[in-house]
Amino acid sequence: RKEVEQDPGPFNVPEGATVAFNCTYSNSASQSFFWYRQDCRKEPKLLMSVYSSGNEDGRFTAQLNRASQYISLLIRDSKLSDSATYLCVVNNGSGTYKYIFGTGTRLKVLA
Amino acid sequence: DAGVTQSPTHLIKTRGQQVTLRCSPKSGHDTVSWYQQALGQGPQFIFQYYEEEERQRGNFPDRFSGHQFPNYSSELNVNALLLGDSALYLCASSGWGAGTDTQYFGPGTRLTVL
Repeated sequence: RKEVEQDPGPFNVPEGATVAFNCTYSNSASQSFFWYRQDCRKEPKLLMSVYSSGNEDGRFTAQLNRASQYISLLIRDSKLSDSATYLCVVNNGSGTYKYIFGTGTRLKVLA
Repeated sequence: DAGVTQSPTHLIKTRGQQVTLRCSPKSGHDTVSWYQQALGQGPQFIFQYYEEEERQRGNFPDRFSGHQFPNYSSELNVNALLLGDSALYLCASSGWGAGTDTQYFGPGTRLTVL
């Protein structure tokens, strides 16, 4: 089983739609969770950290479910500019410093 | 405030050659991590440097080595290049000493091995 798993998509949605991505992780001791956005042939950019209480930033909402070991990202009112690959990232903590990335979920918002 | 910078942006090498990639961290950051991203994959952790020492290493062979300088900048060296080393190499910095483990990425170096 991969340490971090994501549905690669692509998710093709119309403008204005709501879309949700899930990501599962295998290490129950994982401590830090993030969503990064990556545009084609560019570097990953931090979208948001994911906290136990969940967090929201404008149209984006991230949630963490420790019991089921998954994190989610909800995008409301999708814009054309949201088209990108969304990377789920887990830092296992406990003396380890590396980020473990999923393969990414590709989103295409259609006009 | 300068972000993470990397050089060169693109590089073409042939099998068996050696390459050095460079990274300058974001201002105020003291920790540098290196990642390899193959096409269609997520970034894979190579290693992390903190206080001029390799603090942790991923599943990469000894052909991959690195260095961190007193000004926190870092180099990634790859010896005896293989075709499979063709990838985007990403550097990420964080402020571990300041208690911030969130990583910020540079634009990457695209390495092509022929």
